[in-house]
Amino acid sequence: GQNIDQPTEMTATEGAIVQINCTYQTSGFNGLFWYQQHAGEAPTFLSYNVLDGLEEKGRFSSFLSRSKGYSYLLLKELQMKDSASYLCAVSYNTDKLIFGTGTRLQVFP
Amino acid sequence: KAGVTQTPRYLIKTRGQQVTLSCSPISGHRSVSWYQQTPGQGLQFLFEYFSETQRNKGNFPGRFSGRQFSNSRSEMNVSTLELGDSALYLCASSYGQISYNEQFFGPGTRLTVL
Repeated sequence: GQNIDQPTEMTATEGAIVQINCTYQTSGFNGLFWYQQHAGEAPTFLSYNVLDGLEEKGRFSSFLSRSKGYSYLLLKELQMKDSASYLCAVSYNTDKLIFGTGTRLQVFP
Repeated sequence: KAGVTQTPRYLIKTRGQQVTLSCSPISGHRSVSWYQQTPGQGLQFLFEYFSETQRNKGNFPGRFSGRQFSNSRSEMNVSTLELGDSALYLCASSYGQISYNEQFFGPGTRLTVL
């Protein structure tokens, strides 16, 4: 199968930096998405990586290594409002988009 | 620009019944996808429609079906409901196919099967 693995839960302190990892099977890989989902709300798009490297977007950055089947989402200067679930999703050349079960991040003051 | 809308927002049904959920995508978006979200399984892909054609289907039984109309609005139907179908059903729209494009999610329909 095409499993997406990410940690179930993480905790961090306001103002800190946190890295959320995602690993996936590389065969047929097209691209990787990160979405944020606050409790009781719909997911919202954060980033899309196709090529190797780091893409920065404000306090959030996403990294991809295609050969290693590895990505991470880096959140800097954490704020309380960043408490949410972060979903990693991988698209494959079968046109399937597979979501991980998500990482629930709790930010404490 | 209005976002993705889903109706109804909440639904309670009993086992064996059928249900139809509706999704209106963002204007100009031709791709509509449906997902089932449960606490244990996360977000699971049901199907994607593009220009009225089903482009892809997830690993769900045939009781789950859908369609897309010429105005890109989509409906999802679940027949012979089972207790395990209780979930949040999310619809998402995108300009192009979901493999390459950002998706915009609706608020979801919370289905409870008793």
